[in-house]
Amino acid sequence: DAKTTQPPSMDCAEGRAANLPCNHSTISGNEYVYWYRQIHSQGPQYIIHGLKNNETNEMASLIITEDRKSSTLILPHATLRDTAVYYCIVRVTGTGANSKLTFGKGITLSVRP
Amino acid sequence: EPEVTQTPSHQVTQMGQEVILRCVPISNHLYFYWYRQILGQKVEFLVSFYNNEISEKSEIFDDQFSVERPDGSNFTLKIRSTKLEDSAMYFCASRGDRYPTDTQYFGPGTRLTVL
Repeated sequence: DAKTTQPPSMDCAEGRAANLPCNHSTISGNEYVYWYRQIHSQGPQYIIHGLKNNETNEMASLIITEDRKSSTLILPHATLRDTAVYYCIVRVTGTGANSKLTFGKGITLSVRP
Repeated sequence: EPEVTQTPSHQVTQMGQEVILRCVPISNHLYFYWYRQILGQKVEFLVSFYNNEISEKSEIFDDQFSVERPDGSNFTLKIRSTKLEDSAMYFCASRGDRYPTDTQYFGPGTRLTVL
């Protein structure tokens, strides 16, 4: 799976949008971009994923650049409960056993009141 | 909404003892995983399990570790003789067979403390 690069930390004000960047310049054509987050020591929580089109769900939006070498996770109205470590992971989807997730250090988002 | 559950939430054991960590994956999921996270470190893959056999394992997953799906619902991780360095959070995950149901969902974890 391609490697991802994320800044170590960022903060934003409560109620504002949080834009979390991720670089994945070696991504392959069949690799999807996944975002998970981990609040304190809880289990990683799936947020969203995409291939090349922008995606939106009830939690967040995912913007993937046209060349697919980078993406941005957007939390439209951050709350204090969104304070967590956010992981950007690329992997091939579909059937097959080689589907483990490789976690990096992620980006620590701190939402301030 | 279906979720992965894990028991116990916290396990304390003496070095050299055997422990079994239990997981109930999401119903109708076919792939099962164990990951661990030592305090302050990254989440690390241990093993994946499909069709009643190990499909991939990391170098961490040595002979002291084993996994089993003893019935149609549980998925277990056994550590035969625990070491101090096995102290960590252990997360179980499961996923469906094909896109878009092949997203991995994680349980809340079991905190293992080896004394």
